Amino acid sequence: GAVVSQHPSWVICKSGTSVKIECRSLDFQATTMFWYRQFPKQSLMLMATSNEGSKATYEQGVEKDKFLINHASLTLSTLTVTSAHPEDSSFYICSEMGLAGLSSYNEQFFGPGTRLTVL
Amino acid sequence: DAKTTQPPSMDCAEGRAANLPCNHSTISGNEYVYWYRQIHSQGPQYIIHGLKNNETNEMASLIITEDRKSSTLILPHATLRDTAVYYCIVIKAKTSYDKVIFGPGTSLSVIP
Repeated sequence: GAVVSQHPSWVICKSGTSVKIECRSLDFQATTMFWYRQFPKQSLMLMATSNEGSKATYEQGVEKDKFLINHASLTLSTLTVTSAHPEDSSFYICSEMGLAGLSSYNEQFFGPGTRLTVL
Repeated sequence: DAKTTQPPSMDCAEGRAANLPCNHSTISGNEYVYWYRQIHSQGPQYIIHGLKNNETNEMASLIITEDRKSSTLILPHATLRDTAVYYCIVIKAKTSYDKVIFGPGTSLSVIP
């Protein structure tokens, strides 16, 4: 399957600072990217969906001005947590979806996740 | 809301088969059933997927009922490393895409 990387794998920051998380597709051209957030002992919660070259679609309750998503190319998406606060501490996971070659189904590939801790 | 329902937790003895059920009674004709698992503090890992027919790969087998309203993931010989949360989700085929909503999944504990 495709390889998706995230950087950094973990980050600790002070309250009020901004943090950028990168999601890269290393061998796959992703038409759609998803960003998820996961709190301890909970399932993945979809934050937003983005298509290359267009604005992201945010889920209800997710502040688009706080979680800035940029999907500038088929291989790179970034999530910037602006003015981070302790309640933003979470595990952030990106995934990419695209056609698996000539197959008839969409494939979704997940990154390894980024652990954000806001002090 | 998630389109699937799964039991919240299951135990399985090491070396035995683990059978994880999933209900997807509202599945559409162009939706595939996918299974992923998530080991603690890692991103989800793809296991297997299917449309109508049963599928098998090196990791698991997927049994889909004839009416497609439910499926079972089978790990034939569970090991301690199979302890994880298993997610069953449905995804549309290539003509369109739908946002993927994860339910709470099934927390599988493989016991020595």
